[in-house]
Amino acid sequence: AQKITQTQPGMFVQEKEAVTLDCTYDTSDPSYGLFWYKQPSSGEMIFLIYQGSYDQQNATEGRYSLNFQKARKSANLVISASQLGDSAMYFCAMREGGYSSASKIIFGSGTRLSIRP
Amino acid sequence: EAGVVQSPRYKIIEKKQPVAFWCNPISGHNTLYWYRQNLGQGPELLIRYENEEAVDDSQLPKDRFSAERLKGVDSTLKIQPAELGDSAVYLCASSLYGAGEGRETQYFGPGTRLLVL
Repeated sequence: AQKITQTQPGMFVQEKEAVTLDCTYDTSDPSYGLFWYKQPSSGEMIFLIYQGSYDQQNATEGRYSLNFQKARKSANLVISASQLGDSAMYFCAMREGGYSSASKIIFGSGTRLSIRP
Repeated sequence: EAGVVQSPRYKIIEKKQPVAFWCNPISGHNTLYWYRQNLGQGPELLIRYENEEAVDDSQLPKDRFSAERLKGVDSTLKIQPAELGDSAVYLCASSLYGAGEGRETQYFGPGTRLLVL
């Protein structure tokens, strides 16, 4: 079974609009962490934002925010005021197993975001 | 502060040849990861080190892949012999174990793009 599901293989958004990238996850572990990474065409994975399973508030980092809905096992990334430089692949990832040597990090299949000028 | 360094950036070899990738993590990071990323997919963990100990190598194809991190700093991933299906991007990442619950954010290098002919 898929642990991380990103249902949008590709998205087109007009510059300056907000965009939501979907991510759902599957775990029975009460302690886990959720990450979003950006991968431009250059190939490097860039860390954007983190949400812990026990965090009470949604994470925010500049124009990025994470819409964390624990009961629905959803961790959508919201980018406000999109810019041309936001065009890239976006990956949702989950660490489960608690903070121990047994922790595994699993990535979704990604969403390709294209910003139209 | 220098990021994760990987070399080479690109490698083209013929099948059955050996190949090696090198990674130097962010200074002070005790956890190091090797991932493989196939075209159009998210990264998949091959091996994870905590200091010099391989704590998760369950996804490493041990018949042809090997890795080492002898002094707990830089690491080498080797494939011998390479097969056509090994063509992918090999990503190295590092993080700081003990940074706090869930704060094991991974920082990635630029990757090595391998093409096996």
